[in-house]
Amino acid sequence: AQKITQTQPGMFVQEKEAVTLDCTYDTSDQSYGLFWYKQPSSGEMIFLIYQGSYDEQNATEGRYSLNFQKARKSANLVISASQLGDSAMYFCAMRKRGSSRLTFGEGTQLTVNP
Amino acid sequence: SAVISQKPSRDICQRGTSLTIQCQVDSQVTMMFWYRQQPGQSLTLIATANQGSEATYESGFVIDKFPISRPNLTFSTLTVSNMSPEDSSIYLCSVEDIRGVMDEQYFGPGTRLTVT
Repeated sequence: AQKITQTQPGMFVQEKEAVTLDCTYDTSDQSYGLFWYKQPSSGEMIFLIYQGSYDEQNATEGRYSLNFQKARKSANLVISASQLGDSAMYFCAMRKRGSSRLTFGEGTQLTVNP
Repeated sequence: SAVISQKPSRDICQRGTSLTIQCQVDSQVTMMFWYRQQPGQSLTLIATANQGSEATYESGFVIDKFPISRPNLTFSTLTVSNMSPEDSSIYLCSVEDIRGVMDEQYFGPGTRLTVT
């Protein structure tokens, strides 16, 4: 079985600073993918970034980067130069290869202060 | 990326009634899924909507309560039947693109359901 753990129920960051949202996972699968989604108060789930378990490089998408440490089974999301619009709930999720089911963590509520 | 729309965006329903939620994608996709997010909770997969065959339900979810249709590669519906206040949730449609690429799974804007 797969399990995602997000240990930070809430995080605060000053505008323009960087913030790291933690995600650890537990799986016995060798091939899997890790996802981060943003959910604003409107409820939509916005795909941010993806990391494959065999990817050599850490994934980056604009201000988002994923700090992937496979041996530690962690996939932390780094948001650089935070903006007020980054205030939202952030979910880490994983999916094993061959399966279409996403397993989600409990989420981290990020608040960006002006 | 695929553009996904859902109808309705929100609804308030009486207990005992049913609501059908529609999910429309602007391109053909291999896989479509329905998730539920109860208030203050994370997302839970309800079922995989299979084109041309019965949906595949996750443990704890049954067809009588959540009937699903998928008549083609761009459209699916989820019905929440005989609703109770415990069904108050956000219901989200999710798709995987036709290439089945590992790194692409997107969500629709969600349907916020309140049952009174």
